[in-house]
Amino acid sequence: DGGITQSPKYLFRKEGQNVTLSCEQNLNHDAMYWYRQDPGQGLRLIYYSQIVNDFQKGDIAEGYSVSREKKESFPLTVTSAQKNPTAFYLCATGRGQETQYFGPGTRLLVL
Amino acid sequence: KNEVEQSPQNLTAQEGEFITINCSYSVGISALHWLQQHPGGGIVSLFMLSSGKKKHGRLIATINIQEKHSSLHITASHPRDSAVYICAVREKGPDKLIFGTGTRLQVFP
Repeated sequence: DGGITQSPKYLFRKEGQNVTLSCEQNLNHDAMYWYRQDPGQGLRLIYYSQIVNDFQKGDIAEGYSVSREKKESFPLTVTSAQKNPTAFYLCATGRGQETQYFGPGTRLLVL
Repeated sequence: KNEVEQSPQNLTAQEGEFITINCSYSVGISALHWLQQHPGGGIVSLFMLSSGKKKHGRLIATINIQEKHSSLHITASHPRDSAVYICAVREKGPDKLIFGTGTRLQVFP
């Protein structure tokens, strides 16, 4: 089955803890993206990667880190420096100027 | 002011009604996307267009590049169309999308 998987569906973070959100794709797309969605706001770009071993900061990268060691995987770490991490996180993939394909999302909550 | 504005923010309709959702943008674009987000959160791409009009089933999307405006129409609306509809533009140059805040549509039987 081709697609994008994100795990976990729900994630709870304690104060001062780093957590990692998984995003895996088997669409063979070069580009991968991480977005954050907050109520009443449009999706905002955190990080994106257009090729393996390379990634760029988006509009709200502070407090987040990523890696792109494999084409299929683009994990996002929410660090303790991110003071307001509660949000819905969406991973997407794309190829060139084509449309982007979105994963099912991970909802991150702070305990 | 947001670079992508959608109207209305919320919309309710009776089953069978014709629906229009509007999107205006202020930047130069290479393409515009219409996306659908269901209550579970997953997002599906409905259309990508850079000119004219596209149709898929009961959905029609139009764009006027000169006026920087796009519309999404739903004919013969159905309760299963209830979702958040999001407009996003691909700005010329940067490889990134700019998203509107979405229009929440509820269709009642």
